[in-house]
Amino acid sequence: NAGVTQTPKFQVLKTGQSMTLQCAQDMNHNSMYWYRQDPGMGLRLIYYSASEGTTDKGEVPNGYNVSRLNKREFSLRLESAAPSQTSVYFCASSEDRGRGMRSNQPQHFGDGTRLSIL
Amino acid sequence: AQSVTQLGSHVSVSEGALVLLRCNYSSSVPPYLFWYVQYPNQGLQLLLKYTTGATLVKGINGFEAEFKKSETSFHLTKPSAHMSDAAEYFCAVSLPIRSSASKIIFGSGTRLSIRP
Repeated sequence: NAGVTQTPKFQVLKTGQSMTLQCAQDMNHNSMYWYRQDPGMGLRLIYYSASEGTTDKGEVPNGYNVSRLNKREFSLRLESAAPSQTSVYFCASSEDRGRGMRSNQPQHFGDGTRLSIL
Repeated sequence: AQSVTQLGSHVSVSEGALVLLRCNYSSSVPPYLFWYVQYPNQGLQLLLKYTTGATLVKGINGFEAEFKKSETSFHLTKPSAHMSDAAEYFCAVSLPIRSSASKIIFGSGTRLSIRP
């Protein structure tokens, strides 16, 4: 059981380049999330998707776009990479209870993508 | 506004000693609370969670946490530290957001080091 799979694991980009981070989950979860992790700042939510075909902004969406391709896959795109986007990116998924209802289900995380932008 | 505060960005204990990692939360609704652990070069894994019911929650690897509403705290403890417990630990609170998803707010993390 793979859980949440992220590719690539590592990437180095030059300023201005674009790339897409891929995420897939095999747990049939409705909700998927993209976070970035920076030292001393915990995890900050970039975008999330409550279901196939829907996406919403999180805390730090600027400079990113997302696509919920189907129930399994949720990709994150950097159109024009900047050094401030150097970070570790995590994808997560969870089973949520429905509109406006807090979930008591944990989020399941991938192993992360370590992205450096020069 | 909802928030999570972890006291101490780095905690160091001796092997066999008590581990205590502190977490305080702010929430306008009864909280759902989580502790996650992150080992080097890995994602976060759930240690334990509190939703309703018993306020003392037991998790994996011998960890437990107690929900204290009067103190708005959810501290993580383990009676006897092992070298394998060295990792970063995150406290988190779950909140409802629109579009059927739940938002989790994470604390900034506490790095636990174990001295031989």
